[in-house]
Amino acid sequence: AQSVTQLGSHVSVSEGALVLLRCNYSSSVPPYLFWYVQYPNQGLQLLLKYTSAATLVKGINGFEAEFKKSETSFHLTKPSAHMSDAAEYFCAVSTWVGNNDMRFGAGTRLTVKP
Amino acid sequence: GAVVSQHPSRVICKSGTSVKIECRSLDFQATTMFWYRQFPKQSLMLMATSNEGSKATYEQGVEKDKFLINHASLTLSTLTVTSAHPEDSSFYICSAHRAGATEAFFGQGTRLTVV
Repeated sequence: AQSVTQLGSHVSVSEGALVLLRCNYSSSVPPYLFWYVQYPNQGLQLLLKYTSAATLVKGINGFEAEFKKSETSFHLTKPSAHMSDAAEYFCAVSTWVGNNDMRFGAGTRLTVKP
Repeated sequence: GAVVSQHPSRVICKSGTSVKIECRSLDFQATTMFWYRQFPKQSLMLMATSNEGSKATYEQGVEKDKFLINHASLTLSTLTVTSAHPEDSSFYICSAHRAGATEAFFGQGTRLTVV
């Protein structure tokens, strides 16, 4: 079975600083990997996804992630944090397009300090 | 885009009553819909997978008789929490999968509070 581990349940950065949210995955087959953002009392919004094409994936709101098979990682980055980026971020993995086996990480709460 | 609408967004009910949550795909036909439960400050836990016209597949530990799922059409799935108790209070999120897409699309979630 596949799984993801998000290192750091809480990350705090200053506005304008680099954002780095870590995600490592485990999968016996080539994975599909996703990053979602969740604002309070709302559903999940897809930031970006890796589906075996380019290893560097660019998403919305200036976020990007790089798939590194050798490190089994899919870390999320943004060069310059904005106050509006404060939210909960979830990394997820699945092994087929149907997503019924999608598994989420525990989440990382991003705080952005002025 | 692919829009999934979940209703209601927030509901308060008395202990012992039943609550129905709807999940609709507004602009596509959803071959599969998923129901998740999210506890405060925790991740999403998959409860069940529903395919249109067939019985839902429940994850281990999820009570089928407690959480009734109906997927009567390609655009609508419902989750009914029967005889709700305070421990059922949680945030419930649905997602819908469109054939050929590489990800599922999420509803806005429903905050259920049982008093």
